[in-house]
Amino acid sequence: NAGVMQNPRHLVRRRGQEARLRCSPMKGHSHVYWYRQLPEEGLKFMVYLQKENIIDESGMPKERFSAEFPKEGPSILRIQQVVRGDSAAYFCASSRGGTDTQYFGPGTRLTVL
Amino acid sequence: DQQVKQNSPSLSVQEGRISILNCDYTNSMFDYFLWYKKYPAEGPTFLISISSIKDKNEDGRFTVFLNKSAKHLSLHIVPSQPGDSAVYFCAASAGSNDYKLSFGAGTTVTVRA
Repeated sequence: NAGVMQNPRHLVRRRGQEARLRCSPMKGHSHVYWYRQLPEEGLKFMVYLQKENIIDESGMPKERFSAEFPKEGPSILRIQQVVRGDSAAYFCASSRGGTDTQYFGPGTRLTVL
Repeated sequence: DQQVKQNSPSLSVQEGRISILNCDYTNSMFDYFLWYKKYPAEGPTFLISISSIKDKNEDGRFTVFLNKSAKHLSLHIVPSQPGDSAVYFCAASAGSNDYKLSFGAGTTVTVRA
């Protein structure tokens, strides 16, 4: 009974490169959420997706960030032209329905050099 | 702006005693509250929740109290066990139907043997 899977667990990028973070939801879950945790802060909502649809991206920075959840395969959070301020832990959560408890993955720790 | 605040970054407690974690919120629209527990290198794990129609919810050793007029909630763990050593996050949403969770910065609990 695998939980939410995220990979990679650690990702190092140089400024200007692209970062791709992957999230596979729990079996039977079709709702995915991405959160970001900056140092010394709580998790902050970024985006909510269902299969092939972005439901709410109100927490996403307007530029360089995008997310998708294709019909097949994991959800992907993509950060183009990374900057040092993007260094953070990125957590993915999934739920069975939009009002159900969210279960979190172990996170991807992104470090931008 | 931090809408959910956990003012104590850390708490140390003797095994067998009570741990009390506090959380304050500023958004009067919040009416559903959750506590998550997080071990190092893992994602947050749902612990217990409470809606605003209640002032107390209990699950085994964990009890959450809600004081709506003070916009304050607390988590009591009794008795505390070494396995309870973790970071505890308070989270809130505007109703159980709202998927967008707002998190506090967390309180690190250390249970001493």
